[in-house]
Amino acid sequence: AQSVAQPEDQVNVAEGNPLTVKCTYSVSGNPYLFWYVQYPNRGLQFLLKYITGDNLVKGSYGFEAEFNKSQTSFHLKKPSALVSDSALYFCAVRADTGRRALTFGSGTRLQVQP
Amino acid sequence: GAVVSQHPSWVICKSGTSVKIECRSLDFQATTMFWYRQFPKQSLMLMATSNEGSKATYEQGVEKDKFLINHASLTLSTLTVTSAHPEDSSFYICSARVQARGGNTEAFFGQGTRLTVV
Repeated sequence: AQSVAQPEDQVNVAEGNPLTVKCTYSVSGNPYLFWYVQYPNRGLQFLLKYITGDNLVKGSYGFEAEFNKSQTSFHLKKPSALVSDSALYFCAVRADTGRRALTFGSGTRLQVQP
Repeated sequence: GAVVSQHPSWVICKSGTSVKIECRSLDFQATTMFWYRQFPKQSLMLMATSNEGSKATYEQGVEKDKFLINHASLTLSTLTVTSAHPEDSSFYICSARVQARGGNTEAFFGQGTRLTVV
C-alpha cells in the first residue's frame, strides 16, 4: 500500500518570506513523487515531480522540492512567497511499478499574507 | 504540458436523473484515465481506472453500477452518475497519463466538474 502524509492543514507565511509545505510518503519500491496546486473550483495543476536523479527538483512558478530518501520526505519550498501562491497544495506518490494511480495527501492550504 | 479537458465544469441535476461527465485528452492519446472524487476540504479519492477498450477497474467501495465509466477511444473517457442523489454531490476530477521521455509517465488533470444534486 502507498500513502502520503501532509501534517499541516494550513501554512501561513508573509509575502516575501520563504515557505515550506511538508510531505512524507510510504510506498513499496522506488517512489515517483509529485506536487500539485489547486485553486478554488479548479482541477489540479502540476508543479513538479521527482522520478530519479537530483534530489532537488525545480518546478513551475519558482517552486522546488527536495527528495530525502532516508526521511521519506518530499517537502515543497519556495524562497520568496507571493500572495498569488495562496492555494491548496497536494503531494502525491506512486510506485515505479504496479498500481499507476496516484495516492494523494490530504492537502495543505497555503495562505500568504501581504 | 499536455491538456486534459473536462466537461461540463459544473452541473445541477434533479435527484433520480443521470449525469454524464466527459474527459478528453486534447493533444495526446491516453490509454489510461483516472476518475477521482473530492469532497469539500478533503483530498482526492480515486474512484476508478479507465482503460481504453476494456472495462474500468473500480476502487473498493465504489459502486460500478452507479458510476458508469466508458473509455471508447484513446482521447475520451466518460463518467455517468446514474440515478443521482444529493449525497453524490461532489467535485469530480479526471486525469490522463501521458508517456514522457525515458518511459516515465505523468498525469495531467482536467479542470474538474462540480456536481450538485438537488
